[in-house]
Amino acid sequence: GQQLNQSPQSMFIQEGEDVSMNCTSSSIFNTWLWYKQDPGEGPVLLIALYKAGELTSNGRLTAQFGITRKDSFLNISASIPSDVGIYFCAGPLETSYDKVIFGPGTSLSVIP
Amino acid sequence: EAQVTQNPRYLITVTGKKLTVTCSQNMNHEYMSWYRQDPGLGLRQIYYSMNVEVTDKGDVPEGYKVSRKEKRNFPLILESPSPNQTSLYFCASRRGQGNSPLHFGNGTRLTVT
Repeated sequence: GQQLNQSPQSMFIQEGEDVSMNCTSSSIFNTWLWYKQDPGEGPVLLIALYKAGELTSNGRLTAQFGITRKDSFLNISASIPSDVGIYFCAGPLETSYDKVIFGPGTSLSVIP
Repeated sequence: EAQVTQNPRYLITVTGKKLTVTCSQNMNHEYMSWYRQDPGLGLRQIYYSMNVEVTDKGDVPEGYKVSRKEKRNFPLILESPSPNQTSLYFCASRRGQGNSPLHFGNGTRLTVT
């Protein structure tokens, strides 16, 4: 079925470094959603993207909606320990907005 | 406070013993959904509901049932749990528009022995 791929699968970075991760699909998406999951909690929405080429920021986070509509990118600048968690990309299927699928996640660890 | 509430947070049960995980939202959202999270697989959709009395299968519905008798509640029912249903379960809700973001509960960790 439809699926999203995320890379890298996991990252270990030093505090203060910038982080980049991406999400790709073989299918077109009209909406890209980026979520963060803290240990023991449910995912929380970070950024929502609704238009191809759109670049949106939320504090130190910046996400982009790829112009092919088949990918999206999330960047975190000047990482801090509380950035630790799993980052998921997600989106409703173009063929069925009722079904929202998630990527497998990128696990981020920040070394103080 | 706007939230999605799941209960219980942790549940250990034995194979075949029927169980229900409750989910309630106070945001008057039309859409509700259940996901399971397993290592390396991300979140997979089990069932979703567009509104009261309307439910549909997600990607992994086998072994699960749901009901939507009221707008705020969307319980997940395992009639005969099996060990392969050991997982972390999340309930989520959103407004009816297809591209509205999902709001998640804090999860229910289920272990079936």
